Amino acid sequence: DVKVTQSSRYLVKRTGEKVFLECVQDMDHENMFWYRQDPGLGLRLIYFSYDVKMKEKGDIPEGYSVSREKKERFSLILESASTNQTSMYLCASSLRREVADTQYFGPGTRLTVL
Amino acid sequence: QKEVEQDPGPLSVPEGAIVSLNCTYSNSAFQYFMWYRQYSRKGPELLMYTYSSGNKEDGRFTAQVDKSSKYISLFIRDSQPSDSATYLCAMILPQGAQKLVFGQGTRLTINP
Repeated sequence: DVKVTQSSRYLVKRTGEKVFLECVQDMDHENMFWYRQDPGLGLRLIYFSYDVKMKEKGDIPEGYSVSREKKERFSLILESASTNQTSMYLCASSLRREVADTQYFGPGTRLTVL
Repeated sequence: QKEVEQDPGPLSVPEGAIVSLNCTYSNSAFQYFMWYRQYSRKGPELLMYTYSSGNKEDGRFTAQVDKSSKYISLFIRDSQPSDSATYLCAMILPQGAQKLVFGQGTRLTINP
């Protein structure tokens, strides 16, 4: 079974703090994704990565950055958290770039920025 | 117009009913179609994965794709209270960025 884990289930931070969300997958997947999910807006893609040290902007990258130093780990960074970044953050992975495949999701991190 | 349209509901039905969940899409190039189930405060989990037109059955669940109408459906037979969740349709192009395009999700409640 594919397993995608996220470092925290719930996180509370203050405005202006730097926030790190970590995601690890154990199935040797090449592709990894970060989404945020908000009521009425659905899932929106923030960033994704096909390989170590590679990253691509998704639909809403502003205010976020990512890091992929190892194949199994993909980090989402909020450089200076703001209240409008309060959301559910979901990490996902899929097999490899050349294959149209489903994505497997982690349990999510519910981030509250005060 | 959104690429994928899904009625957000909420949808409430009695236990044992047949449930039909639907999505329409605008891009005829989509080839792979998925349904995810998401329980409250959890991540989405893959329920069904189909390729192109046709039906696929897995237990009480049937996924149907009609590419000529750009319409996909998920049917749940003999619905159970444990089926109460948000159901998200998703689709992907055969080539390119491997990005999933999601519907908004339909919130379903099965009443005992």
